[in-house]
Amino acid sequence: DQQVKQNSPSLSVQEGRISILNCDYTNSMFDYFLWYKKYPAEGPTFLISISSIKDKNEDGRFTVFLNKSAKHLSLHIVPSQPGDSAVYFCAASGDTDKLIFGTGTRLQVFP
Amino acid sequence: DAGVIQSPRHEVTEMGQEVTLRCKPISGHDYLFWYRQTMMRGLELLIYFNNNVPIDDSGMPEDRFSAKMPNASFSTLKIQPSEPRDSAVYFCATTGGPTYEQYFGPGTRLTVT
Repeated sequence: DQQVKQNSPSLSVQEGRISILNCDYTNSMFDYFLWYKKYPAEGPTFLISISSIKDKNEDGRFTVFLNKSAKHLSLHIVPSQPGDSAVYFCAASGDTDKLIFGTGTRLQVFP
Repeated sequence: DAGVIQSPRHEVTEMGQEVTLRCKPISGHDYLFWYRQTMMRGLELLIYFNNNVPIDDSGMPEDRFSAKMPNASFSTLKIQPSEPRDSAVYFCATTGGPTYEQYFGPGTRLTVT
């Protein structure tokens, strides 16, 4: 069963607007969450993370929000740029050393 | 550092053949993870090592898959015999300690015909 779910396989956003990528999880033991970005023919690269003791973490144009009661997190990109076009993976971890990844959302930012 | 190195980058083989994928981790990183990426299941963890010791192989699909880490500089993922459903991109990732910010290699795209 998928413990980390990204229900939108793709998202298309105009340059300059906000991109919102969503992620849901089922395991209440998860206490650390990450977003990774992946370009074609490359490995995923770390983007931003959040601990369960926080509900928001911001890094430049990227902000991650965590709603523990809803078991939901989201990544906001403002403003979106064409170079943000990539696949974004949500990941979660709990009491082990491993990450559980979602299926990814392909973001396309058009001019 | 050159980052995580994987070879080959592309592998095309026929069903039933043995396939070996290789990974060289970042020097000093003592955790190594093998993932498989498919459209349906995203990034699946297959197995991970800590200090060259396999810790969790619960994600290995079946006995056809095996992984080794003979030393801190090298790991292999072997599929024998390979099947068309094994076609995917396989990633190796490493991290240096109690952090979840893993560093991924460029991946090996495997096609089994």
